[in-house]
Amino acid sequence: DAKTTQPNSMESNEEEPVHLPCNHSTISGTDYIHWYRQLPSQGPEYVIHGLTSNVNNRMASLAIAEDRKSSTLILHRATLRDAAVYYCIPTITPLQGAQKLVFGQGTRLTINP
Amino acid sequence: KAGVTQTPRYLIKTRGQQVTLSCSPISGHRSVSWYQQTPGQGLQFLFEYFSETQRNKGNFPGRFSGRQFSNSRSEMNVSTLELGDSALYLCASSSRQGENSPLHFGNGTRLTVT
Repeated sequence: DAKTTQPNSMESNEEEPVHLPCNHSTISGTDYIHWYRQLPSQGPEYVIHGLTSNVNNRMASLAIAEDRKSSTLILHRATLRDAAVYYCIPTITPLQGAQKLVFGQGTRLTINP
Repeated sequence: KAGVTQTPRYLIKTRGQQVTLSCSPISGHRSVSWYQQTPGQGLQFLFEYFSETQRNKGNFPGRFSGRQFSNSRSEMNVSTLELGDSALYLCASSSRQGENSPLHFGNGTRLTVT
């Protein structure tokens, strides 16, 4: 399993963009980069995933470095509801084999009103 | 569409007892995974079931077991409970079809062992 490094915590203000970095220098060529988040008192929630190129969905954008050793999750306008622990997880997709997520410690994001 | 449902939400057991936790996946999802979350170890993978077969198993002792029924509902069992088994147990379901089939988690069962 690829190892990830994320800041323990980050803080931002409401309605401002947030850039959450993740280092995954040992990622394999077949690993996709998945992001999940866990809001207080809830189970983790899928955010986004990608392989090589940048990805966008209604929740966030994912920018992947050209060498794939790092990625950045971008929340374009943070709201109080975005306060959560964010996990970056390199993993194979379900089509490629067993579906197992290896969670690190993640980044605890605090949003100030 | 209803989400992943886990029952019960809270459970208190005594050391040495056994416990069974239940998970109902999202309708149509055939994969169910179980995770344990503790403050010290974080989220750890227990096992995954797909079409009633265990596909993958994490590094947990044999006291932890699971099964999946033909309707995709799943149960996990922990026998001879230890204090260290106190944790939030999370179930996740997935369609496992196509590249974009993320895990959908329930809100967990909080188990306290005294």
